[in-house]
Amino acid sequence: KAGVTQTPRYLIKTRGQQVTLSCSPISGHRSVSWYQQTPGQGLQFLFEYFSETQRNKGNFPGRFSGRQFSNSRSEMNVSTLELGDSALYLCASSWRVGQEETQYFGPGTRLLVL
Amino acid sequence: AQSVSQHNHHVILSEAASLELGCNYSYGGTVNLFWYVQYPGQHLQLLLKYFSGDPLVKGIKGFEAEFIKSKFSFNLRKPSVQWSDTAEYFCAVRGGYSTLTFGKGTMLLVSP
Repeated sequence: KAGVTQTPRYLIKTRGQQVTLSCSPISGHRSVSWYQQTPGQGLQFLFEYFSETQRNKGNFPGRFSGRQFSNSRSEMNVSTLELGDSALYLCASSWRVGQEETQYFGPGTRLLVL
Repeated sequence: AQSVSQHNHHVILSEAASLELGCNYSYGGTVNLFWYVQYPGQHLQLLLKYFSGDPLVKGIKGFEAEFIKSKFSFNLRKPSVQWSDTAEYFCAVRGGYSTLTFGKGTMLLVSP
């Protein structure tokens, strides 16, 4: 099976702009989660989608939003970019059986905000 | 709320040395436990996982981890490291139906 894919891989934006990142999960996986990875904070959970519904949300401002489509592909959007939004954004897909669930990660989108 | 603590931020070893990376979590119920590895320039990869059963789990590349419920620990071990094991290692936990929580990571540098 093909792994999790994320586009674009690299992005440079300026403060105040908005950005949309895309994630295609492993075929058959219906859950997609997003994380922000920075050297200082490590991996922080943004949100999780399952069957087009947001199932969980992390502690990020409302500028961060996401959605999931019927084919399980997901997008996340960051509006009014700030310098501190520079990070590696990771997407993970998973399949849950009862309480057992393993997340598989994509290569990430590296966002630089100038 | 669940949390994960990794004992060391940086570890430096010589090739052939033994490795043990500490991970402790806080959660009172059933947990799923994971170790992920991020090699330089590569994406996060699953090393091993524990859901239930035998508390000693074996993963890829000769890694293993032991779940000790009484100590809320899930330490990662490898008897003999190689230069190619240089990477950042993340412990992660999911309690019940909650989200996955990661530790801050341990950067392992193996000198040849």
